[in-house]
Amino acid sequence: DTGVSQNPRHKITKRGQNVTFRCDPISEHNRLYWYRQTLGQGPEFLTYFQNEAQLEKSRLLSDRFSAERPKGSFSTLEIQRTEQGDSAMYLCASSRDLITGELFFGEGSRLTVL
Amino acid sequence: AQTVTQSQPEMSVQEAETVTLSCTYDTSESDYYLFWYKQPPSRQMILVIRQEAYKQQNATENRFSVNFQKAAKSFSLKISDSQLGDAAMYFCASQTGNQFYFGTGTSLTVIP
Repeated sequence: DTGVSQNPRHKITKRGQNVTFRCDPISEHNRLYWYRQTLGQGPEFLTYFQNEAQLEKSRLLSDRFSAERPKGSFSTLEIQRTEQGDSAMYLCASSRDLITGELFFGEGSRLTVL
Repeated sequence: AQTVTQSQPEMSVQEAETVTLSCTYDTSESDYYLFWYKQPPSRQMILVIRQEAYKQQNATENRFSVNFQKAAKSFSLKISDSQLGDAAMYFCASQTGNQFYFGTGTSLTVIP
């Protein structure tokens, strides 16, 4: 098991373009989280999946953001019509057992919007 | 929503010495978990230590230990015998139900 994998690791785009990030969680983990992290800040919750169901969404997740987790495996986070304020590190984390609570994080996808 | 506060943006420690990172949290829940995560430069965040709120005994993992003061809602991390590899951002986090809340982090520098 190679852990949580995120692609691409870096993305530079022009304002107004769409971008999509992919997260492959640890295979037996049924819980998947997306976070956003900006410089000098801790991770901010965006959304949470249990299997294929998106159970919670933060108000940070505007209508330009959409996340999916088809078949309860990998997940994608799409940002439409990107804005400069979207520039951040997007972190994916997965968990198998909520009782133990441990999140396993990927290395993140860094987005730069020019 | 819960809030997690880390009041020390930066800390430094001499190699082999001990350092304590502070964290306070605010929750109205009775059942929750607390964590310290480490984020080395350009690498993924990893769990350092975890504390269940219902346990009075402070958690310990090798050189890492916590001082959990439930009434004061304080959860500090003590790193003993600091090593160069301990240099990283450290995030305090709380969990209630499906939600995890993170502090703003403390950047730890280890001086050789």
